[in-house]
Amino acid sequence: ETGVTQTPRHLVMGMTNKKSLKCEQHLGHNAMYWYKQSAKKPLELMFVYSLEERVENNSVPSRFSPECPNSSHLFLHLHTLQPEDSALYLCASSQDRTGAETQYFGPGTRLLVL
Amino acid sequence: GQNIDQPTEMTATEGAIVQINCTYQTSGFNGLFWYQQHAGEAPTFLSYNVLDGLEEKGRFSSFLSRSKGYSYLLLKELQMKDSASYLCAVVDSNYQLIWGAGTKLIIKP
Repeated sequence: ETGVTQTPRHLVMGMTNKKSLKCEQHLGHNAMYWYKQSAKKPLELMFVYSLEERVENNSVPSRFSPECPNSSHLFLHLHTLQPEDSALYLCASSQDRTGAETQYFGPGTRLLVL
Repeated sequence: GQNIDQPTEMTATEGAIVQINCTYQTSGFNGLFWYQQHAGEAPTFLSYNVLDGLEEKGRFSSFLSRSKGYSYLLLKELQMKDSASYLCAVVDSNYQLIWGAGTKLIIKP
């Protein structure tokens, strides 16, 4: 248990569906992250929030829409996804935004797009 | 471009020692992380090196040579539970975290 939870753990959706991934951290951290993890590829940083403000958006398609209502919660809203979006989506948090801070990860949501 | 290289997969025997290498070419350097990720689980922090040398933490040690752009993770007295992927990540000059693709370690009895 790392103090970061994610729901759902598994999700299957069609290309026309709309779904949301949820992340919650219980560590009192100020920064939260969304990553995409595909087999045999490096973690891809998607979004970074610091003190509830989005500070980084790494050229992610608009079919992914993040939301950070407070410093403990982070959502990733999904719509009209493509099969190549199937992957493990990991949420992480750290005390502050700088990359030198240890990041604490949730268990991830395994997403399959049909 | 920025690049982190680590072997895709390694196999070792229970009770033995294994060394997982990581080489990097990044724009600047502000530290190197090792994380462990069991299948279907969250990556968890193992070590952080910012100065040259060896840091030991129980059965696990991490080494850094900044001049060579090289690090390794040394696992001693291997146990079956050490079967996992090991991720190397470097903090660049902009304090961005650059990730390697991970090394899958298989432990055999």
